[in-house]
Amino acid sequence: EVQLLESGGALVRPGGSLRLSCSASGFIFSLYDMSWVRQAPGKGLEWVSSISYHGEDTFYGDSVKGRFTISRDNSKNTLSLQLNSLRAEDTALYYCVSRGGGDSFDIWGQGTMVTVSS
Amino acid sequence: DVVMTQSPPSLPVTLGQPASISCRSTQSLVYINGNTYLNWFHQRPGQSPRRLIYQVSKRDSGVPDRFSGSGSGTEFTLKISRVEAEDVGIYYCMQGAHWPLTFGGGTKVEIK
Repeated sequence: EVQLLESGGALVRPGGSLRLSCSASGFIFSLYDMSWVRQAPGKGLEWVSSISYHGEDTFYGDSVKGRFTISRDNSKNTLSLQLNSLRAEDTALYYCVSRGGGDSFDIWGQGTMVTVSS
Repeated sequence: DVVMTQSPPSLPVTLGQPASISCRSTQSLVYINGNTYLNWFHQRPGQSPRRLIYQVSKRDSGVPDRFSGSGSGTEFTLKISRVEAEDVGIYYCMQGAHWPLTFGGGTKVEIK
């Protein structure tokens, strides 16, 4: 079964840091570009970041550029997102999704919740 | 950035009747390889989104054929030929042709 399983979400104070992880199974992870998409409570979908299948190319939305870092470990079928300098507006459900540009996001995880609040 | 504009934002529908959602982009979504990277997603309440359509009109595996996508360039449409109860939720268009990747604001489909 194709599956993406996120973890790492938590309540964190403004200015704090967090690391999200996504474990992939059921497909050849190393052949897929991967991404993170987030959804603030009651709001729409926002693309956050993407990484190429080999990990050499990364892309970020303007709202997270310089604060978030996407990475992957193909030997462990794992995608990560390091979140630094967190702000209240980063509060959202973060989804791990397959692919990036092009035929985007055919596989979705269940999401992991990040809450930034004092 | 490419702005994706969906209409209407809310769509009350009658079971068994057709429904149509429009999506417009501020730039052409035709990529250098000739493909048009316009995707449609459906999110049921409390669930993760699911991709329905990619490259304007190609249905994902398991998507009922009552769903169809059409359009070109900057104007696109998602149609449901006969709405069923399970079709409620929010529909999003999304472009994969230009960075940053962008979504439309969503169309909430509900049963009258």
